[in-house]
Amino acid sequence: KAGVTQTPRYLIKTRGQQVTLSCSPISGHRSVSWYQQTPGQGLQFLFEYFSETQRNKGNFPGRFSGRQFSNSRSEMNVSTLELGDSALYLCASSLSGGPQETQYFGPGTRLLVL
Amino acid sequence: QKEVEQDPGPLSVPEGAIVSLNCTYSNSAFQYFMWYRQYSRKGPELLMYTYSSGNKEDGRFTAQVDKSSKYISLFIRDSQPSDSATYLCASHPLSGGYNKLIFGAGTRLAVHP
Repeated sequence: KAGVTQTPRYLIKTRGQQVTLSCSPISGHRSVSWYQQTPGQGLQFLFEYFSETQRNKGNFPGRFSGRQFSNSRSEMNVSTLELGDSALYLCASSLSGGPQETQYFGPGTRLLVL
Repeated sequence: QKEVEQDPGPLSVPEGAIVSLNCTYSNSAFQYFMWYRQYSRKGPELLMYTYSSGNKEDGRFTAQVDKSSKYISLFIRDSQPSDSATYLCASHPLSGGYNKLIFGAGTRLAVHP
């Protein structure tokens, strides 16, 4: 079974631009979560989607948004990029998002904002 | 104060050593505890999963949770160079909503031959 895939793997943007990252979950998984990983703050939860609905959200500004499609694929968007948005963005999938389920992470998209 | 605290290390040990990795947490609502391993340029992968207090063993790895002291540990026996990675503890509160894991900072481990 193929794992979680994320595209692109690397991205360089400049301040003020916007960016869209993509995540394809494991086949059959309907819950997709997004995390931001930085050296200073570690891994922080952004949001979670299930059946095209956002069910949970972390403490990030409104510039960070996401969506999920009917095939469970998900995208996240960051508008008006800031230098501090440079990070590894990880997506994870699980069957339905329950606390006893394993979340499987993708390799991440490394975003550099100049 | 972060909800899950973890010493970032780095920790350097010789091959064959017993490694002890630790985290503390502050939220009494945390019920599920995990250890993830993350190799360089890869996403985290789940190593161990425990619910509430107690021990869980899987091969060379033992996870321990002490809810009375809010302490989480991972022990690695007979450590190997291939164990060199960052180890992240994480927790999920019972009522925290879907898939919202709270992670520690991660401890970077290097096992040298």
